[in-house]
Amino acid sequence: GNSVTQMEGPVTLSEEAFLTINCTYTATGYPSLFWYVQYPGEGLQLLLKATKADDKGSNKGFEATYRKETTSFHLEKGSVQVSDSAVYFCALRAGTASKLTFGTGTRLQVTL
Amino acid sequence: EAGVAQSPRYKIIEKRQSVAFWCNPISGHATLYWYQQILGQGPKLLIQFQNNGVVDDSQLPKDRFSAERLKGVDSTLKIQPAKLEDSAVYLCASSFDEANTEAFFGQGTRLTVV
Repeated sequence: GNSVTQMEGPVTLSEEAFLTINCTYTATGYPSLFWYVQYPGEGLQLLLKATKADDKGSNKGFEATYRKETTSFHLEKGSVQVSDSAVYFCALRAGTASKLTFGTGTRLQVTL
Repeated sequence: EAGVAQSPRYKIIEKRQSVAFWCNPISGHATLYWYQQILGQGPKLLIQFQNNGVVDDSQLPKDRFSAERLKGVDSTLKIQPAKLEDSAVYLCASSFDEANTEAFFGQGTRLTVV
């Protein structure tokens, strides 16, 4: 079946530090890959996505590249801010199904 | 544009009691999803509707969970009777259709079963 594995948190960084959150996946066929973010007290929001191999999704300074050869979709940001503190979920959508399969989430805490 | 609305935000019940959650999707969205998010885990799909028809309910514990979307708009998820392991956040999401369109999530209902 389909599955997503994310690095465990929490991840604690100082402001302006470099962020990487690892995500690998197992899926049949060629899935679409997503990063969702959940800020405190809010619902899940789509952060970025990539629909085919070598695509790079980007938004709000975050980037992730769809790597088919390593089945990975790692999230990166060059300089995090306190406002980026949230829980980040990697997810995939495979085949004709529109449902999302999520990882367990990684909590990011950014301090001054 | 109004987002996905869910109520209540929080609910505490005793085991073996019943509970219902309500979701109003974004206007015009044909596809509606209910996800269960247990603490420390990612959301897991319980049921997916396309208009008022069920597309996928393979992960729904049908002996105690039920859901309906009678008029193809808002939806209700019910648990009867509740167990301790049902404590979770129940997320509703909607998308314009089943194709490659973005799913928008509500804030969720946090259920605690004691």
